[in-house]
Amino acid sequence: ETVLTQSPGTLSLSPGDRATLSCRASQSLSSSFLHWYQQKPGQAPRLLIYGSSSRATGIPDRFSGSGSGTDFTLTISRLEPEDFVVYYCQQYGGSSWTFGQGTKVEIK
Amino acid sequence: EVQLVESGGGLVQPGGSLRLSCAASGFTFRDYWMSWVRQAPGKGLEWVAYINQEGREKSSVDSGKGRFTISRDNAKNSLYLQMNSLRAEDTAVYYCTRAGTGASLDKWGQGTLVTVSS
Repeated sequence: ETVLTQSPGTLSLSPGDRATLSCRASQSLSSSFLHWYQQKPGQAPRLLIYGSSSRATGIPDRFSGSGSGTDFTLTISRLEPEDFVVYYCQQYGGSSWTFGQGTKVEIK
Repeated sequence: EVQLVESGGGLVQPGGSLRLSCAASGFTFRDYWMSWVRQAPGKGLEWVAYINQEGREKSSVDSGKGRFTISRDNAKNSLYLQMNSLRAEDTAVYYCTRAGTGASLDKWGQGTLVTVSS
């Protein structure tokens, strides 16, 4: 089973800052199967980025994804107030899905 | 508009059973893989089970094997999760999800809370 490790656990930044979230896989995986989600309090997660770098429908272009192999990154170019929530990476392989433990982006 | 609406959650005693349902609308249900994902209170996301379009291929998380059964009825646009021998650690919000490109979970229901407690 591929384990995903997200870092940092909490990221303290200010509105307008750039956020860089990391997701490291325990083994190399296809970028086609690495995805990112955003979860606001009390809500279901929503898909932000699929296939490592493609934005899902309706996602603002301040969100971008990159990476390959075992290292993947979610970047938020300029943080808006509504971006201070939790983000998860997720991978698919061998008919199973695994999630990272999440990164919380909080206001500094 | 794509909608996934879960039902069937509630309070159940350890060792008990529950059947979760998910009513899908706004898309051609039979064309998609479907999955259940759960989230324990204050914790992260955990994938629970998956089923392919025809219902012939299924898989589940190791902790659910032998206890959780995923199924679907394409005629009713519905997904199910039968949960038996429930444990306290199964307490969570259970989300119905649709798998899209690259097995991304591109649509989520609002979730249904399952509480296992005596």
